[in-house]
Amino acid sequence: DVKVTQSSRYLVKRTGEKVFLECVQDMDHENMFWYRQDPGLGLRLIYFSYDVKMKEKGDIPEGYSVSREKKERFSLILESASTNQTSMYLCASRLGAWTEAFFGQGTRLTVV
Amino acid sequence: DQQVKQNSPSLSVQEGRISILNCDYTNSMFDYFLWYKKYPAEGPTFLISISSIKDKNEDGRFTVFLNKSAKHLSLHIVPSQPGDSAVYFCAASASTSGTYKYIFGTGTRLKVLA
Repeated sequence: DVKVTQSSRYLVKRTGEKVFLECVQDMDHENMFWYRQDPGLGLRLIYFSYDVKMKEKGDIPEGYSVSREKKERFSLILESASTNQTSMYLCASRLGAWTEAFFGQGTRLTVV
Repeated sequence: DQQVKQNSPSLSVQEGRISILNCDYTNSMFDYFLWYKKYPAEGPTFLISISSIKDKNEDGRFTVFLNKSAKHLSLHIVPSQPGDSAVYFCAASASTSGTYKYIFGTGTRLKVLA
């Protein structure tokens, strides 16, 4: 069974902290994505990666960075957390064109 | 610039009736479309997809229709069940972009009334 696992379901962090969100997939997928979901705004793409050490900015990359040192792992980094980064963060992976993306269970991050 | 739009934020339907969720897109390069269902505090789960070479795809109670000339797709759920109550997102991608990223709509909250 396909699996995308995010390291935490819920996180509470303080303003200014550096935050790491981890995502691991077991499907040998090339493509991995980080989205955030906010009410009324849907899922917005933060960053994606199409190969190890390769990354591209999505629609809202400001305040975030990513790391992909191994094919199965894609990390999202909040360099200095701010309250407007309070959100649901969703990791996904996908094999390629004409295929669906599989999502992790999400991380609800609250920055106080 | 919202390339994928779901103009109805919410929809209520009686159990057993048809639910119709709509989605519009602006980018003519999109050639693969999907619907996802999302419950609170969970990740989205894939429901059904359609490529631009088709105008209809069915899977059990779920049917997706694509009207390329209108840049419009819809998801039909027949018959609707209370367990279908969730937020539904449509998504689109362009295979020629080489990046395989999805652009999502803002979602429609479906409530199926028992």
